[in-house]
Amino acid sequence: DIVMTQSPDSLAVSLGERATINCKSSQSVLYSSNNKNYLGWYQQKPGQPPKLLISWASTRESGVPDRFSGSGSGTDFTLTISSLQAEDVAVYYCQQYYGTPPTFGGGTKVEIE
Amino acid sequence: EVQLVESGGDLVQPGGSLRLSCAASGFTFSSYWMHWVRQAPGKGLVWVSRINSDGSSYADSVQGRFTISRDNAKNTLYLQMNSLRTEDTAVYFCARGGYSAYVPNDYWGQGTLVTVSS
Repeated sequence: DIVMTQSPDSLAVSLGERATINCKSSQSVLYSSNNKNYLGWYQQKPGQPPKLLISWASTRESGVPDRFSGSGSGTDFTLTISSLQAEDVAVYYCQQYYGTPPTFGGGTKVEIE
Repeated sequence: EVQLVESGGDLVQPGGSLRLSCAASGFTFSSYWMHWVRQAPGKGLVWVSRINSDGSSYADSVQGRFTISRDNAKNTLYLQMNSLRTEDTAVYFCARGGYSAYVPNDYWGQGTLVTVSS
């Protein structure tokens, strides 16, 4: 199985400041035939299901604010919230869907400092 | 509007069985891979199983105990859970995949709670 490792486990950021979450996969999730990274980012607020924010490592889903961005390739990925808002308090998960089983990172809890 | 509504969660004793359902609407259900993902209390997300018209696959932890199925005429996904263990206690989400097995889950239900305890 591909192991996804997120860091940090939690972070506290002031309103309006940048939040950065890292995700590392135990093997590359870049498919050479189409040059796509099979990596997604989800946001989960308390008592709610996960919400897909970003697919293919850097493609924002429809309706997702542009303060959320994804980057990286191969085995190393980053989710950036450029200017943290109160409604962004949540746990964020990365997921690889390159291999079977699809696997999630352990999650990063984002709070307001 | 895509909607996924799970049901069937309950308190069950170790060794018992339970069947979860997920009613889908707002999209052509038969064309999509469908998944079950679970989340133990206070823990992270763990993929359980997926299915399309051609086949299915399972996490090692549930292989041989859980069976995923679907009724495309009823737009409903199922998860038959047998030989339940305390470690199966979790909220179970159904989630939509795509036309391919190798895409992210773009819509999720609210989840249904399964508690395995004596």
